[in-house]
Parts: sequence; C-alpha cells; structure tokens
Amino acid sequence: SAVISQKPSRDICQRGTSLTIQCQVDSQVTMMFWYRQQPGQSLTLIATANQGSEATYESGFVIDKFPISRPNLTFSTLTVSNMSPEDSSIYLCSVAEGKNQPQHFGDGTRLSIL
Amino acid sequence: QKEVEQDPGPLSVPEGAIVSLNCTYSNSAFQYFMWYRQYSRKGPELLMYTYSSGNKEDGRFTAQVDKSSKYISLFIRDSQPSDSATYLCAMTLSGGYNKLIFGAGTRLAVHP
Repeated sequence: SAVISQKPSRDICQRGTSLTIQCQVDSQVTMMFWYRQQPGQSLTLIATANQGSEATYESGFVIDKFPISRPNLTFSTLTVSNMSPEDSSIYLCSVAEGKNQPQHFGDGTRLSIL
Repeated sequence: QKEVEQDPGPLSVPEGAIVSLNCTYSNSAFQYFMWYRQYSRKGPELLMYTYSSGNKEDGRFTAQVDKSSKYISLFIRDSQPSDSATYLCAMTLSGGYNKLIFGAGTRLAVHP
C-alpha cells in the first residue's frame, strides 16, 4: 500500500493563528481525505481533497475554517485557520488507491491550541 | 443514535486468549466493512477489509459480517501483548472513494 507522510507530526499553537498540515504520498492516488480525531472520540471526515477542483466538505466543516489544496496526485494540504482550543485534535490524511480499495492513513498531526 | 456503535472498553485479557470485538450499525446500505488497529500516537492501520456478508481470515485475525443483523465482529486468536491497541471498526457505502463511518474504538490490553 501507499506510504503516507504527514508534517508536522505535532504542534502547539496560539489561539487565533493558522497552521498548514502537509500530506505526501509516495505514489499517485485518485482520492485523498482529511479526518479529525478529537480527544477520546473516533474519526470524522472533514473533506475530500479533489485534484484540480475544490474540496468537498462534510456537514459542519467549512472552507473558510479548513481550506484544502490538492495541487497534484501525490500531495495535499489542510489549513486550520483562526484556531481556538476546540480545534485541539489529531488531523489525519488518508488515501484510496482504487475505487474498491480501502483507505490507508498517515500517522496524523497532533495539534494543541493554547 | 450513532450510525455505528462500538463498546469503547477497555477490554483486558490474558496472553493467549481469544478476543472478540464487535460493532453494530443502523444503515443497511453499508457494503464495505473494515477493521483498523491504532497504536498510541500512530495512525489507524488497516487489518481487515471485507465486502458484504461472510467471513474473512488473515493469520490470527478473522472478520465476520452479518448484514441481516447489521453486526460485524473481529476475532483475534492467541492474543499477544503486541495486540494491545485501540481497534476501530469502519464502514462505507461503496468502497474506498467514499467517506468512512467509524465506531468509537475499543481499547484492548493483553497482559502477559
């Protein structure tokens, strides 16, 4: 399966600032996804990153708060904007190599907001 | 009511025990079912991926899907301390291109 690298692995940020998280895959993949895992909770999809077009956001997530880029088939970024303590979570990138193939995850970015 | 229900545990078993992990779901349209293992400070690692009903075996792991009961299970035979992790069930409507709906995860501790 594809090897997925996320940067940074963790960060501590001040409220009101923004952080961009990178997701790099070692092969071209059609679909890339961004999930959030809040403390003690399971994973929730934020958006699907589409190459060459705008990301598709799930209910409760908006582009102004979580802008996403997908410039090519191996790379995507997620920005967490105007952060508040409620944004303290693990943010995970996943990829699917084919329509009927399972999603594989990176190790995530652990974000704490002070 | 959550779409996917999973007992968060924790579940503590002795080494060598058979472990049974379960999830129930409400949406009968789910077609693909997955089990992920997540170690502390790591991302979810795919363990099993099944389509529709039936059993699938991979080494010490067996996944079962009963669509009529909306119930999936993961069995771990001869459990090892290295199996200590959080186990997440996930499901989706139509394969990898669709969003995954996760259970809450079950924390498993296997003690020597």
